Amino acid sequence: AQTVTQSQPEMSVQEAETVTLSCTYDTSESDYYLFWYKQPPSRQMILVIRQEAYKQQNATENRFSVNFQKAAKSFSLKISDSQLGDAAMYFCAYRLYSGTYKYIFGTGTRLKVLA
Amino acid sequence: DTAVSQTPKYLVTQMGNDKSIKCEQNLGHDTMYWYKQDSKKFLKIMFSYNNKELIINETVPNRFSPKSPDKAHLNLHINSLELGDSAVYFCASSPLGVNGHEQYFGPGTRLTVT
Repeated sequence: AQTVTQSQPEMSVQEAETVTLSCTYDTSESDYYLFWYKQPPSRQMILVIRQEAYKQQNATENRFSVNFQKAAKSFSLKISDSQLGDAAMYFCAYRLYSGTYKYIFGTGTRLKVLA
Repeated sequence: DTAVSQTPKYLVTQMGNDKSIKCEQNLGHDTMYWYKQDSKKFLKIMFSYNNKELIINETVPNRFSPKSPDKAHLNLHINSLELGDSAVYFCASSPLGVNGHEQYFGPGTRLTVT
C-alpha cells in the first residue's frame, strides 16, 4: 500500500529566509503524481506545486521548488524568500498516474514564519 | 466563479440529528471526493465518485451516505450524528484518468456536534 510520510510536524523560518519541508513516500509503482498543498488559516486547500514522476526535472513555481529524488522516494518542498503569507499547514500528496483515483495525503507540516 | 462550492460552511447540530452537506463543481470534472479533516489536521478520504458511480468507499460508518445526482454534484448525508463526527469536511474534484492531476478543493464545512 502506498503511504506518505511528513516527519516534521512543525517548522519555523525567518521572513526572507529559505526553508525546506520533507516528504517521503512508499510505492511500488513507477508512474505517479506528487503534490504539495497549502492550507492557510482560512482552511482552503491550495495547490502549491505538482511533479510527475516520469519527469526528471524538478518542478518550480516562483518561490516554490521541489527536490524530487525518485530512487529515494523523497519529495521535499523548498520555499525561498519566505513571506508572512506562507504561514500555513503544508500537505504532501501522492496519486497514481492511472487506474485508481485515490489521493494519499501526509499528516502535514505546520510552517510558522517569524517577522 | 467558485470552482468547487460547499454548503453550508458551518454546521452546528446536536447528537442524534441527521444533516446533509452539499457540494457542486463547475469545472467539468468527472471525479469528486469527500474528505474528513480531524482536529489534528489529518485528511482522510471517505468516498469518491466517477461519473455518478461510487469508486472509492473507505472504512466509514454506514451512517454516512454519499449521493451523486449528476457528475457536478456530490452530497454527503449523515444520520444519527455523534460527537466524533465533529470535523471539517472537504469536497474535491479532479479530471478523469491519465489527464487527471491535482484536486480542486471546496472551502470546507466545519461540522460541530454538541
